[in-house]
Amino acid sequence: GAGVSQSPSNKVTEKGKDVELRCDPISGHTALYWYRQSLGQGLEFLIYFQGNSAPDKSGLPSDRFSAERTGGSVSTLTIQRTQQEDSAVYLCASSLGGRGNEQYFGPGTRLTVT
Amino acid sequence: GEDVEQSLFLSVREGDSSVINCTYTDSSSTYLYWYKQEPGAGLQLLTYIFSNMDMKQDQRLTVLLNKKDKHLSLRIADTQTGDSAIYFCAESPWGGRRALTFGSGTRLQVQP
Repeated sequence: GAGVSQSPSNKVTEKGKDVELRCDPISGHTALYWYRQSLGQGLEFLIYFQGNSAPDKSGLPSDRFSAERTGGSVSTLTIQRTQQEDSAVYLCASSLGGRGNEQYFGPGTRLTVT
Repeated sequence: GEDVEQSLFLSVREGDSSVINCTYTDSSSTYLYWYKQEPGAGLQLLTYIFSNMDMKQDQRLTVLLNKKDKHLSLRIADTQTGDSAIYFCAESPWGGRRALTFGSGTRLQVQP
């Protein structure tokens, strides 16, 4: 079946602009995660959704970052007033939410802030 | 808090076995995962093991867990050039925080 998809695959934006990144999880997966991958920081957790609720937002680096999930499916990660340090690959993952917590990742969105 | 550590680089010849190592610090019951990342791609889940197990085998992959030392290894038998990638170890505490904590990744280079 279809895996996790993310759009856009690449995004170049100017410093100070807002960006929206989209994630379509695997159908039926109730849990959805956002991570960020950068050269200096490795793979960092950002936020976790169970259904439409976000019980763990502890990884969001500042109040410029927000995310929502609607219909228990699609999620959008929004970064306001982008800064150069926001440049990274943003990865989305989904899981069935069971004990094994196997998370399946999308291809990522490469964000470059100029 | 959780911490996961890996060596940065491993080079092997095609046909040899590769062993990638990882140590973790979380003392609670936990799931441990191995992911593979090829250039420009997302992370592919290879296998995972629960911390009450010692070993798990899946085709060419063998995961060994030493709970006492909190040491995890991934052995790839008959390594092929297509196995060249970055391999990430990750852990998730059972019943606790759902987010994965990743190591820094081990770059595996397979020489023909």
